[in-house]
Amino acid sequence: GEDVEQSLFLSVREGDSSVINCTYTDSSSTYLYWYKQEPGAGLQLLTYIFSNMDMKQDQRLTVLLNKKDKHLSLRIADTQTGDSAIYFCAERGNTGGFKTIFGAGTRLFVKA
Amino acid sequence: GAVVSQHPSWVICKSGTSVKIECRSLDFQATTMFWYRQFPKQSLMLMATSNEGSKATYEQGVEKDKFLINHASLTLSTLTVTSAHPEDSSFYICSALRDRGTYEQYFGPGTRLTVT
Repeated sequence: GEDVEQSLFLSVREGDSSVINCTYTDSSSTYLYWYKQEPGAGLQLLTYIFSNMDMKQDQRLTVLLNKKDKHLSLRIADTQTGDSAIYFCAERGNTGGFKTIFGAGTRLFVKA
Repeated sequence: GAVVSQHPSWVICKSGTSVKIECRSLDFQATTMFWYRQFPKQSLMLMATSNEGSKATYEQGVEKDKFLINHASLTLSTLTVTSAHPEDSSFYICSALRDRGTYEQYFGPGTRLTVT
């Protein structure tokens, strides 16, 4: 079945860039997402990218997609303490009723 | 736009009782909604897909008689945890799939259920 994997922890200093990586297995993935979850809260959609795109930039966020290697990354420029959260990578194909498969989440720690 | 609400945001109930959680898409229509369960420090586990006007589709291992789902309108889905037990304590999150455009999925804020 489909699988999404990502590293569990990342620690960076305030002001540095953060790069969170994700790999997925479903070659029919159409949309790839990054969600942010703060403690005790639901998921916030940060950004998404279509499978026919290589890169998408939105303010401090840059998403890179390598479809050949099924690798997705999220870069956060000038990381702030408020960026500390869990970041989930997710993918969705065109089959299976639009089900979205989530990775385990990467916990980002930002040190002041 | 694209706001999804859940009610209640947290609930404590006794073993053996039933609890209903509501998920509403406030400013868009959603034929399809999803119910997820999240254990502490873990990812989201899809429990079921809720379709307006038809029966929900449950994922393998999820008891449909225990987790009753009703998608009564294009903006409301409910999850009822029947005969709750302490092991049902979890964070339940719903999401709604917008009925147009890129079919983006928007998440509710979650409901924390504690069964004593």
